[in-house]
Amino acid sequence: DTAVSQTPKYLVTQMGNDKSIKCEQNLGHDTMYWYKQDSKKFLKIMFSYNNKELIINETVPNRFSPKSPDKAHLNLHINSLELGDSAVYFCASSPREAGNTIYFGEGSWLTVV
Amino acid sequence: AQSVTQPDIHITVSEGASLELRCNYSYGATPYLFWYVQSPGQGLQLLLKYFSGDTLVQGIKGFEAEFKRSQSSFNLRKPSVHWSDAAEYFCAVGAVGTASKLTFGTGTRLQVTL
Repeated sequence: DTAVSQTPKYLVTQMGNDKSIKCEQNLGHDTMYWYKQDSKKFLKIMFSYNNKELIINETVPNRFSPKSPDKAHLNLHINSLELGDSAVYFCASSPREAGNTIYFGEGSWLTVV
Repeated sequence: AQSVTQPDIHITVSEGASLELRCNYSYGATPYLFWYVQSPGQGLQLLLKYFSGDTLVQGIKGFEAEFKRSQSSFNLRKPSVHWSDAAEYFCAVGAVGTASKLTFGTGTRLQVTL
């Protein structure tokens, strides 16, 4: 079974639409993340949740809203999609303690047209 | 705030040749250091990590990296590259004592010629 799984893997949508990406981890980790990889392959953290509590929010537009129904799930909802939102979004998880290895999902390729 | 620099955007090596990918970090104390690999269309896979102790760390797929505090470097090496090693390689630094958060370098794309 995949440790960190996210769906959908590919998503093509029009500007202005609202879309969600779902993420689940079966590693028993307390902390989950969303990272964004832009067209130049640059990876940057967006959010981090620790046991359903938001602990990192890196100046992301409020059109992006993470939701963690339980510590094994962290979904990303995006409102009013813009062309610049096209990117690869990676979900990840790690044990709670700082410095532990972060395990990444396979990514969700979002294309806004 | 921590930062990571990968000076080489693109490297080409012949299969069987040795490889060294450079990584320099900026952080006020001893950081946690990681190398991840991303194959085309794939997610990120951890190659190796340094937390403390022996400054030469061994990873998967025959990779190793050496932490050099005096040079603020954590270069990745492999003695003999295989064609399947062609991928994007990312160095990352994690801050000690805070919530886990990785700051990534901009990546180095490795091309392997036969």
